[in-house]
Amino acid sequence: EVQLVESGGGPVKPGGSLRLSCAASGFTFNNYNINWVRQAPGRGLEWVSSVSTSSIHIWYADSVKGRFTISRDNVRNSVYLQMNSLRAEDTAVYYCSRSLAEGTGDYWGHGALVTVSS
Amino acid sequence: DIQMTQSPSTLSASVGDRVTITCRASQSISSKLAWYQQKPGKAPKLLIYKVSSLESGVPSRFSGSGSGTEFTLTISSLQPDDFATYYCQQYQTYWTFGQGTKVEIK
Repeated sequence: EVQLVESGGGPVKPGGSLRLSCAASGFTFNNYNINWVRQAPGRGLEWVSSVSTSSIHIWYADSVKGRFTISRDNVRNSVYLQMNSLRAEDTAVYYCSRSLAEGTGDYWGHGALVTVSS
Repeated sequence: DIQMTQSPSTLSASVGDRVTITCRASQSISSKLAWYQQKPGKAPKLLIYKVSSLESGVPSRFSGSGSGTEFTLTISSLQPDDFATYYCQQYQTYWTFGQGTKVEIK
């Protein structure tokens, strides 16, 4: 069974840092891109970042560029999102999802809530 | 950046109704268009990819059509389980989602 499980969410103060993890199982991890998508409370979906199978290609939304860093470990079947200089507007549920190259997300995790507040 | 505009934002319908949601892209996205369903507190669920391809396990009452910049999601006969929020998404260049359409009980 394909599973993606996010962890590492929680409360953090503005300007602080947090690292989210996405642990994958049930499929050949290094065949898939991994993507982060977030959803602020009561709002729509916003793509955040993606990493290709071998980490050669990495993409970021303008809203997080320079503050967030995505990485993957194909031995541990995991992807990480290091979030620095967090702002109140980064408060959201963060989902990881898998996709084939040039494809869309067919499996998603349950999400991790990040709350940025003083 | 490619912008995606969905309409309507909210739709009130009854069980058995035929429902249509429209999505417009700010530029051509070829066939890189997907539709997702999301229920409160849950992750999005992929319904349709590549404009009209039904994801495995998705009921055949869901269908997608369109090309270039105009796309449509149709639910042929609305069922109780279909009351949810629907998002279109382009994956031609990065990912961009529409703002969502909430399908409510009339």
